[in-house]
Amino acid sequence: DTEVTQTPKHLVMGMTNKKSLKCEQHMGHRAMYWYKQKAKKPPELMFVYSYEKLSINESVPSRFSPECPNSSLLNLHLHALQPEDSALYLCASRLAGGRADTQYFGPGTRLTVL
Amino acid sequence: GESVGLHLPTLSVQEGDNSIINCAYSNSASDYFIWYKQESGKGPQFIIDIRSNMDKRQGQRVTVLLNKTVKHLSLQIAATQPGDSAVYFCAETSGYSTLTFGKGTMLLVSP
Repeated sequence: DTEVTQTPKHLVMGMTNKKSLKCEQHMGHRAMYWYKQKAKKPPELMFVYSYEKLSINESVPSRFSPECPNSSLLNLHLHALQPEDSALYLCASRLAGGRADTQYFGPGTRLTVL
Repeated sequence: GESVGLHLPTLSVQEGDNSIINCAYSNSASDYFIWYKQESGKGPQFIIDIRSNMDKRQGQRVTVLLNKTVKHLSLQIAATQPGDSAVYFCAETSGYSTLTFGKGTMLLVSP
Protein backbone atom coordinates (compact mmCIF):
# COMPACT_ATOMS: atom_id res chain seq x y z
CA ASP A 1 0.00 0.00 0.00
CA THR A 2 1.74 3.19 -1.20
CA GLU A 3 -1.14 5.51 -0.71
CA VAL A 4 -2.08 8.43 1.48
CA THR A 5 -5.83 8.74 1.82
CA GLN A 6 -7.75 11.80 2.89
CA THR A 7 -11.36 12.24 3.93
CA PRO A 8 -13.63 13.89 3.18
CA LYS A 9 -12.87 14.77 -0.42
CA HIS A 10 -14.96 17.94 -0.19
CA LEU A 11 -16.18 19.87 2.86
CA VAL A 12 -18.42 22.91 3.14
CA MET A 13 -18.70 24.51 6.55
CA GLY A 14 -19.96 27.65 8.17
CA MET A 15 -17.80 29.95 10.23
CA THR A 16 -19.29 28.69 13.48
CA ASN A 17 -18.97 24.99 12.67
CA LYS A 18 -16.46 22.50 14.05
CA LYS A 19 -15.19 19.89 11.61
CA SER A 20 -12.21 17.59 11.16
CA LEU A 21 -10.09 16.45 8.25
CA LYS A 22 -8.59 13.00 8.32
CA CYS A 23 -5.45 11.59 6.74
CA GLU A 24 -4.31 7.97 6.82
CA GLN A 25 -1.32 6.01 5.56
CA HIS A 26 -0.19 2.44 6.11
CA MET A 27 3.32 2.70 4.72
CA GLY A 28 4.99 2.78 8.11
CA HIS A 29 5.88 6.44 7.67
CA ARG A 30 6.56 8.22 10.94
CA ALA A 31 6.59 11.80 9.61
CA MET A 32 3.32 13.39 8.50
CA TYR A 33 2.52 16.83 7.15
CA TRP A 34 -0.37 19.21 6.62
CA TYR A 35 -0.21 21.70 3.76
CA LYS A 36 -2.63 24.38 2.63
CA GLN A 37 -2.91 25.14 -1.08
CA LYS A 38 -4.81 28.07 -2.57
CA ALA A 39 -5.82 28.01 -6.22
CA LYS A 40 -2.91 28.44 -8.65
CA LYS A 41 -0.44 28.60 -5.76
CA PRO A 42 2.11 26.12 -4.42
CA PRO A 43 1.42 24.13 -1.24
CA GLU A 44 2.27 25.97 1.98
CA LEU A 45 3.50 23.96 4.93
CA MET A 46 1.32 24.15 8.04
CA PHE A 47 2.41 21.41 10.44
CA VAL A 48 4.91 18.56 10.67
CA TYR A 49 4.58 15.56 12.98
CA SER A 50 7.52 13.30 13.66
CA TYR A 51 6.93 10.09 15.63
CA GLU A 52 3.48 11.37 16.56
CA LYS A 53 4.87 14.56 18.09
CA LEU A 54 4.40 18.02 16.63
CA SER A 55 7.80 19.17 15.40
CA ILE A 56 6.94 22.16 13.22
CA ASN A 57 4.07 24.66 13.41
CA GLU A 58 4.45 27.31 10.73
CA SER A 59 2.71 30.00 12.82
CA VAL A 60 -0.70 28.62 11.90
CA PRO A 61 -3.71 30.29 13.60
CA SER A 62 -5.14 28.36 16.53
CA ARG A 63 -8.44 27.80 14.72
CA PHE A 64 -6.49 24.95 13.04
CA SER A 65 -5.63 22.23 15.54
CA PRO A 66 -3.63 19.20 14.39
CA GLU A 67 -3.65 15.84 16.09
CA CYS A 68 -1.69 12.66 15.48
CA PRO A 69 -3.40 9.89 17.51
CA ASN A 70 -1.20 7.10 16.14
CA SER A 71 1.49 6.48 13.55
CA SER A 72 -1.01 5.94 10.72
CA LEU A 73 -3.45 8.74 11.35
CA LEU A 74 -3.31 12.52 11.19
CA ASN A 75 -6.25 14.81 11.87
CA LEU A 76 -6.80 18.51 11.39
CA HIS A 77 -9.52 19.96 13.61
CA LEU A 78 -11.20 23.10 12.33
CA HIS A 79 -13.12 25.62 14.40
CA ALA A 80 -14.31 29.17 13.74
CA LEU A 81 -12.74 29.33 10.31
CA GLN A 82 -12.87 32.32 8.02
CA PRO A 83 -13.83 32.39 4.32
CA GLU A 84 -10.17 33.03 3.44
CA ASP A 85 -9.35 29.60 4.90
CA SER A 86 -11.10 28.03 1.91
CA ALA A 87 -8.42 25.99 0.13
CA LEU A 88 -7.19 22.51 -0.72
CA TYR A 89 -5.72 20.87 2.37
CA LEU A 90 -3.06 18.31 1.55
CA CYS A 91 -1.62 15.64 3.78
CA ALA A 92 1.76 14.04 3.09
CA SER A 93 3.93 11.44 4.76
CA ARG A 94 7.46 10.11 4.58
CA LEU A 95 9.78 7.74 6.37
CA ALA A 96 11.18 9.45 9.45
CA GLY A 97 14.88 9.98 8.89
CA GLY A 98 14.25 10.01 5.16
CA ARG A 99 14.83 13.03 2.98
CA ALA A 100 12.04 15.57 2.66
CA ASP A 101 11.72 14.81 -1.04
CA THR A 102 10.41 11.31 -0.36
CA GLN A 103 7.05 12.68 0.72
CA TYR A 104 3.92 10.99 -0.58
CA PHE A 105 0.94 13.31 -0.98
CA GLY A 106 -2.72 12.52 -0.56
CA PRO A 107 -5.39 13.82 -2.97
CA GLY A 108 -6.44 16.59 -0.59
CA THR A 109 -9.67 17.84 0.96
CA ARG A 110 -11.30 20.76 -0.84
CA LEU A 111 -12.59 23.02 1.96
CA THR A 112 -15.10 25.82 1.44
CA VAL A 113 -15.91 28.14 4.36
CA LEU A 114 -19.13 30.09 3.98
CA GLY B 1 4.28 29.69 -26.26
CA GLU B 2 4.65 30.85 -22.68
CA SER B 3 2.60 33.50 -20.97
CA VAL B 4 3.01 34.86 -17.50
CA GLY B 5 -0.34 35.60 -15.94
CA LEU B 6 -1.02 37.34 -12.70
CA HIS B 7 -0.58 34.17 -10.68
CA LEU B 8 0.48 31.14 -12.71
CA PRO B 9 2.70 31.05 -15.79
CA THR B 10 1.27 28.89 -18.55
CA LEU B 11 3.07 26.98 -21.27
CA SER B 12 0.97 25.88 -24.26
CA VAL B 13 2.39 23.24 -26.59
CA GLN B 14 1.20 20.88 -29.30
CA GLU B 15 1.12 17.14 -28.74
CA GLY B 16 4.44 15.64 -29.76
CA ASP B 17 6.44 18.79 -29.05
CA ASN B 18 9.17 18.89 -26.43
CA SER B 19 8.32 21.05 -23.39
CA ILE B 20 10.70 22.96 -21.16
CA ILE B 21 9.52 24.23 -17.80
CA ASN B 22 11.80 26.54 -15.85
CA CYS B 23 12.22 27.32 -12.19
CA ALA B 24 14.42 29.74 -10.28
CA TYR B 25 15.30 28.81 -6.73
CA SER B 26 16.55 31.05 -3.99
CA ASN B 27 18.43 29.07 -1.37
CA SER B 28 22.09 28.48 -2.20
CA ALA B 29 22.21 25.91 0.60
CA SER B 30 19.58 23.66 -1.01
CA ASP B 31 21.05 20.31 -1.85
CA TYR B 32 18.13 18.44 -3.34
CA PHE B 33 15.65 19.51 -6.00
CA ILE B 34 12.42 17.85 -7.06
CA TRP B 35 9.81 18.25 -9.76
CA TYR B 36 6.18 17.49 -8.94
CA LYS B 37 3.20 17.18 -11.28
CA GLN B 38 -0.23 18.15 -9.97
CA GLU B 39 -3.29 17.26 -11.99
CA SER B 40 -6.61 18.93 -11.33
CA GLY B 41 -8.22 17.58 -8.15
CA LYS B 42 -5.15 15.59 -7.11
CA GLY B 43 -2.17 15.97 -4.82
CA PRO B 44 1.36 16.60 -6.11
CA GLN B 45 3.00 13.55 -7.66
CA PHE B 46 6.78 13.04 -7.67
CA ILE B 47 8.31 13.09 -11.17
CA ILE B 48 12.08 13.30 -10.84
CA ASP B 49 14.74 14.65 -8.50
CA ILE B 50 18.35 15.75 -8.68
CA ARG B 51 21.10 16.25 -6.11
CA SER B 52 23.10 19.46 -6.05
CA ASN B 53 26.29 17.62 -7.06
CA MET B 54 24.73 16.76 -10.43
CA ASP B 55 23.79 18.98 -13.36
CA LYS B 56 21.59 16.59 -15.31
CA ARG B 57 19.42 13.58 -14.63
CA GLN B 58 17.23 11.65 -17.03
CA GLY B 59 14.11 9.64 -16.47
CA GLN B 60 11.53 8.20 -18.78
CA ARG B 61 10.69 11.04 -21.21
CA VAL B 62 11.81 13.61 -18.62
CA THR B 63 15.14 15.30 -17.98
CA VAL B 64 16.01 17.68 -15.17
CA LEU B 65 18.83 20.20 -15.58
CA LEU B 66 20.39 22.08 -12.69
CA ASN B 67 22.50 25.24 -13.04
CA LYS B 68 23.76 26.15 -9.60
CA THR B 69 25.64 29.20 -10.86
CA VAL B 70 22.41 31.01 -11.70
CA LYS B 71 20.18 28.96 -9.34
CA HIS B 72 18.05 27.62 -12.15
CA LEU B 73 16.27 24.31 -12.57
CA SER B 74 14.47 23.07 -15.66
CA LEU B 75 12.27 20.12 -16.57
CA GLN B 76 12.28 18.87 -20.12
CA ILE B 77 9.46 16.62 -21.28
CA ALA B 78 10.00 14.81 -24.56
CA ALA B 79 7.14 14.12 -26.97
CA THR B 80 4.59 15.84 -24.76
CA GLN B 81 1.21 14.11 -24.53
CA PRO B 82 -2.24 15.41 -23.52
CA GLY B 83 -1.88 13.42 -20.29
CA ASP B 84 1.06 15.64 -19.38
CA SER B 85 -1.30 18.61 -18.98
CA ALA B 86 -1.00 19.66 -15.34
CA VAL B 87 0.63 22.18 -13.05
CA TYR B 88 4.32 21.51 -12.48
CA PHE B 89 6.07 22.63 -9.30
CA CYS B 90 9.75 22.61 -8.53
CA ALA B 91 10.75 22.17 -4.90
CA GLU B 92 14.00 22.47 -3.00
CA THR B 93 15.23 21.22 0.33
CA SER B 94 18.32 21.67 2.39
CA GLY B 95 17.40 19.37 5.17
CA TYR B 96 15.49 16.33 6.19
CA SER B 97 12.21 17.94 7.11
CA THR B 98 10.67 20.50 4.81
CA LEU B 99 10.24 21.30 1.15
CA THR B 100 10.05 24.79 -0.33
CA PHE B 101 7.92 24.88 -3.46
CA GLY B 102 8.35 27.20 -6.43
CA LYS B 103 5.45 29.12 -7.94
CA GLY B 104 4.37 26.49 -10.47
CA THR B 105 3.80 26.41 -14.22
CA MET B 106 0.67 25.19 -15.95
CA LEU B 107 1.36 23.01 -18.99
CA LEU B 108 -1.43 22.82 -21.57
CA VAL B 109 -1.03 20.22 -24.31
CA SER B 110 -3.34 20.44 -27.29
CA PRO B 111 -3.89 17.46 -29.63
